[in-house]
Order: sequence, then structure tokens, then C-alpha cells
Amino acid sequence: AQSVTQPDIHITVSEGASLELRCNYSYGATPYLFWYVQSPGQGLQLLLKYFSGDTLVQGIKGFEAEFKRSQSSFNLRKPSVHWSDAAEYFCAVGVRNAGNMLTFGGGTRLMVKP
Amino acid sequence: GAGVSQSPSNKVTEKGKDVELRCDPISGHTALYWYRQSLGQGLEFLIYFQGNSAPDKSGLPSDRFSAERTGGSVSTLTIQRTQQEDSAVYLCASSPKQETQYFGPGTRLLVL
Repeated sequence: AQSVTQPDIHITVSEGASLELRCNYSYGATPYLFWYVQSPGQGLQLLLKYFSGDTLVQGIKGFEAEFKRSQSSFNLRKPSVHWSDAAEYFCAVGVRNAGNMLTFGGGTRLMVKP
Repeated sequence: GAGVSQSPSNKVTEKGKDVELRCDPISGHTALYWYRQSLGQGLEFLIYFQGNSAPDKSGLPSDRFSAERTGGSVSTLTIQRTQQEDSAVYLCASSPKQETQYFGPGTRLLVL
């Protein structure tokens, strides 16, 4: 079975600083990969996804992520964080051709200092 | 266009009561998923519907949990004889194919 690890439970960055959220997965083949963001009391909003092709994917709100097969990683980055980016971020994997039920990491809570 | 909607937004119930949670997926989406988000377990898959195929129930935690999807659209998740450990946010997602899932706002369930 697949698994997802987000090593950082909490991260605090200053507004305007760069951001990288880590995600490592365990799966025998290349899964579908996703990053979702959740604001308090809200559902999950899709930031970006990787299915195949170019390993650097762009998403909404200025986020990007890079799939590195050799490291089984799909880290999320943003060059300059805004206060409105404070939220919880979830990395998820789905199994191709098998329903794509998502397995989520434990989440990383991002706090932004003014 | 309209996204995934869920009702009720919040539900408070007493231990032992049955509850029904509703999900209206995005029109035309053939796949529908239920997940649960709790403090102790994080986000967990519960059940998956694809078209008219038999659902994948592999994530349901006990036989007190069941779900149906009528007419390939609206879905209802039923929890019988609720327990305090059922308290969680129940999230529904739909997908046009087995790819990107779009989530609803969730139903926050509190079992007293």
C-alpha cells in the first residue's frame, strides 16, 4: 500500500520569504501526485497536480512542485509567501487505474510572520 | 460553475443515534469519494463510487458505516449507532474521471 510523509508538522516563515514544503511517498510505481490547501473550517482546494510529463508543475497562487522519481518526492515551493498563504497543506497520492483513492500525508501547518 | 456541496454543514448528535450526511457532486462527474478527517487519524479514504459499478468500500471503518449513490449523482453516507470516535469532518469529493478530485466544504460531525 502507498504512504505519504510530510516531515514538517509546522513551519513558520516571514512574509516575502521563500517556502518549501516537503513530501515523500512510498509506492512501487509512479502515482498521481497532488497538493491541496485547507484554510480553517474549509474544504480542500487543489493547488496543483502531477500525472505525467514535465516534472516541474505550476499551480495556482504562485505555487509550483517538482516530482523527483529518484527521491520519491514531490516538494511544494513558492518564491515569496503572502500572509494569506497561512493554512494547512496536504500532499496526496493516488493509484493510477485503480480508482485513484487518495492517500494523504499528515499535513503541514504554515504560519506567516508579518 | 457550482462545486461540490455537502449538507448539513454541522451536525451534533447523541451517542447511539443514526446520522445521514449528504453530498451533491459536480454535475457530470462520474466518480464520487468520501473521506474522513479527524484529529487522531488525519485524512482517510472511506468509500468510492464510479458510475454504475459496485462501490469500493475498503476504507469503511466498521459495518455501522454505509453509503449509497442514487442515479449516479447524489450520495448519502449513513452512520448507525454513532460513537464518540465518529466525531470528525466528513469530506466528499467528485471527479470527472479517476483523476483530479474536487472537494466539498465538509460536514462537521460531533457525537456527544
